[in-house]
Amino acid sequence: GDSVTQMEGPVTLSEEAFLTINCTYTATGYPSLFWYVQYPGEGLQLLLKATKADDKGSNKGFEATYRKETTSFHLEKGSVQVSDSAVYFCALTSNTGNQFYFGTGTSLTVIP
Amino acid sequence: DVKVTQSSRYLVKRTGEKVFLECVQDMDHENMFWYRQDPGLGLRLIYFSYDVKMKEKGDIPEGYSVSREKKERFSLILESASTNQTSMYLCALSPGRGRDYGYTFGSGTRLTVV
Repeated sequence: GDSVTQMEGPVTLSEEAFLTINCTYTATGYPSLFWYVQYPGEGLQLLLKATKADDKGSNKGFEATYRKETTSFHLEKGSVQVSDSAVYFCALTSNTGNQFYFGTGTSLTVIP
Repeated sequence: DVKVTQSSRYLVKRTGEKVFLECVQDMDHENMFWYRQDPGLGLRLIYFSYDVKMKEKGDIPEGYSVSREKKERFSLILESASTNQTSMYLCALSPGRGRDYGYTFGSGTRLTVV
């Protein structure tokens, strides 16, 4: 069945460091791919999405490119800030759009 | 912006109690979902609903039921709370069933069963 695998954390970075959080997926057909962010004590918020191969989603300095050949959707940011400390979830919708599948989340802590 | 309101941020209940978690939306979205979130397990789907009075089981429905009498309200019910149901519960909704629709989440209810 459809599934998402993302790198385990926790990840700790210094401010202004480069961030990569790996995400790979297994799906039949052509899923849409998403990154969600969860700040402490809050629900999940949509960070960015891509709906077809080679699409690049971007928001707040974060980027991810839908790579069908490697079944990946890695999240990147060139220079992280303390305010980026949160848990990041990779997710996909099934081909029919009826259900979401989430990764287990990657905790990021950015230190000054 | 779509607003998803979960009735409580924190709840403490006793084993065996019947527990109601409420989720209310201020838009006309059809699809509503209940997830639980646990460390190392990510989000797991409990139940979902595509319309009033309609419900479908997710991946872990055991010990839970749901009610959707009105479009804007989707309730999760723990029939007899147990300690293994201590978790963060997240309500989500989406405007349609298409693959391009993302979810909007509520802030979550952290339930502790003692």
